[in-house]
Amino acid sequence: EDQVTQSPEALRLQEGESSSLNCSYTVSGLRGLFWYRQDPGKGPEFLFTLYSAGEEKEKERLKATLTKKESFLHITAPKPEDSATYLCAVQAVGGSEKLVFGKGTKLTVNP
Amino acid sequence: NAGVTQTPKFQVLKTGQSMTLQCAQDMNHEYMSWYRQDPGMGLRLIHYSVGAGITDQGEVPNGYNVSRSTTEDFPLRLLSAAPSQTSVYFCASSPAGGYGYTFGSGTRLTVV
Repeated sequence: EDQVTQSPEALRLQEGESSSLNCSYTVSGLRGLFWYRQDPGKGPEFLFTLYSAGEEKEKERLKATLTKKESFLHITAPKPEDSATYLCAVQAVGGSEKLVFGKGTKLTVNP
Repeated sequence: NAGVTQTPKFQVLKTGQSMTLQCAQDMNHEYMSWYRQDPGMGLRLIHYSVGAGITDQGEVPNGYNVSRSTTEDFPLRLLSAAPSQTSVYFCASSPAGGYGYTFGSGTRLTVV
């Protein structure tokens, strides 16, 4: 059974204090790993897709990396507007495009 | 380009009532899915479709029906609402090829 575990559940940072969120996964064959951002009362918003170990992608203050067992979302010099819940999901080979989600990390960045 | 549109945004039902949550996408995506999101549980897949006329069950399908008569629309039917179905429901669509899903803004459903 495909599983995704995210840690920590919640993270509080001061503005400018860099940190990382973790996503550990088990999947029969990884087709893709996805990061989403979700603001309160809204649907998840796509951030990144990673397909193979060693791959990295960046967007503004966010950088996602992938190994064979986990992915990290690095947040550099965060701002209060980066406060959100960050969701990780995996898609398995032969899984009919289904996504299996972790429970998310709620990030709060204080000014 | 509206993306994925869900209606209604909010709904209160009495136990035993039935209703349909609407979902439409204008991106010509083949794949569509319904998820529910509950506190502490994350997003869980209810039903999904790989194309018009083709649907399948996800992780938590009991109490829900779906159909996909067109590429654009993927309604979710609650047959006889129960308090355990109180949740936020998200519809999502994706092109084929592992590009990930675009989500709607959700329907917050309360069953009393």
